[in-house]
Amino acid sequence: GNSVTQMEGPVTLSEEAFLTINCTYTATGYPSLFWYVQYPGEGLQLLLKATKADDKGSNKGFEATYRKETTSFHLEKGSVQVSDSAVYFCALIHGSARQLTFGSGTQLTVLP
Amino acid sequence: DGGITQSPKYLFRKEGQNVTLSCEQNLNHDAMYWYRQDPGQGLRLIYYSQIVNDFQKGDIAEGYSVSREKKESFPLTVTSAQKNPTAFYLCASSTRGTALANTGELFFGEGSRLTVL
Repeated sequence: GNSVTQMEGPVTLSEEAFLTINCTYTATGYPSLFWYVQYPGEGLQLLLKATKADDKGSNKGFEATYRKETTSFHLEKGSVQVSDSAVYFCALIHGSARQLTFGSGTQLTVLP
Repeated sequence: DGGITQSPKYLFRKEGQNVTLSCEQNLNHDAMYWYRQDPGQGLRLIYYSQIVNDFQKGDIAEGYSVSREKKESFPLTVTSAQKNPTAFYLCASSTRGTALANTGELFFGEGSRLTVL
């Protein structure tokens, strides 16, 4: 079946540091890939997406590139802010599936 | 404003009791979902519904029940058969399940935290 594996957290960074959160997936064919963010006390929000190989999704300074050869969709940001502190979820949907498959989430804390 | 409303935000249950979590959306979405969130385990799908009067089990449906009598509403009942119900429950909706692969956008409520005493 489909699955998503994320790097384990928590991740703690200083403000303006570079962020990478790793995400790899298992699926046949070409799934669509997503990053969701959950701020404290809130539900999840779509952060960015990529629907085909080599696509780059970007939003709010975050980027992720769909790498079919490594089955990866790593999330990056060049300079994190305290306001980026949240839990980040990688997810996929494939084929005729009617729901997303989520990774376990990575807690990010950014210190001033 | 359009969105998804979950209630209550916090709920306490005694063992052996059934409880119902409310989820209402005014986004005119066809599809609705219930997820359970546990620390370190991410989100796991309990039930989903693509259309009124129809729903399907997700990965962890045992001990839960749902109904979809109206497009706007998708309540979740946590029954006494659920052996470990303490968790954070998230409701979500999307335009159509068939369109989800392209849009990828689930709209989430703010969640309900259930604690068994």
